[in-house]
Amino acid sequence: KAGVTQTPRYLIKTRGQQVTLSCSPISGHRSVSWYQQTPGQGLQFLFEYFSETQRNKGNFPGRFSGRQFSNSRSEMNVSTLELGDSALYLCASSLDVSGGGEQFFGPGTRLTVL
Amino acid sequence: QKEVEQDPGPLSVPEGAIVSLNCTYSNSAFQYFMWYRQYSRKGPELLMYTYSSGNKEDGRFTAQVDKSSKYISLFIRDSQPSDSATYLCAMAPRGGGYNKLIFGAGTRLAVHP
Repeated sequence: KAGVTQTPRYLIKTRGQQVTLSCSPISGHRSVSWYQQTPGQGLQFLFEYFSETQRNKGNFPGRFSGRQFSNSRSEMNVSTLELGDSALYLCASSLDVSGGGEQFFGPGTRLTVL
Repeated sequence: QKEVEQDPGPLSVPEGAIVSLNCTYSNSAFQYFMWYRQYSRKGPELLMYTYSSGNKEDGRFTAQVDKSSKYISLFIRDSQPSDSATYLCAMAPRGGGYNKLIFGAGTRLAVHP
């Protein structure tokens, strides 16, 4: 069974630009969560999508947004990039529909903002 | 105070040693507990998942949860150089209708031959 895939793996952008990251969950998993990982703040929850609906959102500004498609694939978008947005962005998928289930992570997209 | 506290290390041990990694938490709503291993520049890999107090064993790994003390541990027996990685504890509340993990800072482990 294929794991969680994320594209692209690496991105370099400049301040003010916007970026779109993509995540394909494990087959059959309908919950997709996004996390940001930085050396200073560690792993922080961005948001979760289930059945094309955002179920929960972390404490990030509105520049961070996402969506989920009918095939459970998800994208996240960051607009007006800032230097502090440089991070590893991780996607995780889960089979559990009620919450608290096992989450499996993809390899991440490393975003560098110059 | 952070909801989940984890000593970032680094922790350096000789090959074959028993490693003990720990996290404490303050939110009594946490009911699900996970340990992830993350190699440099890779995504976290789920090692252990548990939702009850007590011990769970899987090969060389044992996860221990003490909800009364709000304390969880991961033990690695016969540690190998390939175990050198960052170990992250993660927790989630019961139900809630959504998936949101709260992570510890991660402990960097180095196992030297």
